[in-house]
Amino acid sequence: QKEVEQDPGPLSVPEGAIVSLNCTYSNSAFQYFMWYRQYSRKGPELLMYTYSSGNKEDGRFTAQVDKSSKYISLFIRDSQPSDSATYLCAMRSGGSYIPTFGRGTSLIVHP
Amino acid sequence: NAGVTQTPKFQVLKTGQSMTLQCAQDMNHNSMYWYRQDPGMGLRLIYYSASEGTTDKGEVPNGYNVSRLNKREFSLRLESAAPSQTSVYFCASSEASRGANEKLFFGSGTQLSVL
Repeated sequence: QKEVEQDPGPLSVPEGAIVSLNCTYSNSAFQYFMWYRQYSRKGPELLMYTYSSGNKEDGRFTAQVDKSSKYISLFIRDSQPSDSATYLCAMRSGGSYIPTFGRGTSLIVHP
Repeated sequence: NAGVTQTPKFQVLKTGQSMTLQCAQDMNHNSMYWYRQDPGMGLRLIYYSASEGTTDKGEVPNGYNVSRLNKREFSLRLESAAPSQTSVYFCASSEASRGANEKLFFGSGTQLSVL
């Protein structure tokens, strides 16, 4: 079993839908949780990060961490075709600066 | 501000050939990384360099060598390419702090095919 599990999709939704992307993990030492967005033929870019448990909101994006369940989520409200990309979760412990990545979920938002 | 620059963007090799992927960053970052990305496998760390003069193995180092030439440059060498090394390769850099805002900056990737 990998340390970080993420369904690769693809996830196809209509424009305007609420999207939920999820990851589970097994290492209880993980404290920092990140979401990277990767457009086709580009490198990943950091979208959001959270520390420990709780929610963090940035515009249409909300990152949620439930450490008791070892489960993190990224919600996208009012999804747009420009949100079509692969979303990779990543996480690391407090003693490390190197993240462990999930496999990434391919999201397609169709007009 | 260029960020992380990788060359070449595309490369086709024959089995057994050698090549070096180049990477440079202009953000004065301490750490640099090489990842490979395969369909359904996500990003897998090949090698990383915590600082100038040091290199360490990642998850999938076999068949690769690296050189941290100076603080800016980190190269990845395939001595004898194999079809299993067909992949997209990404270089990344970071400050290597352990704080909450630590993040990786990625290059745009090298698509390598080994026939």
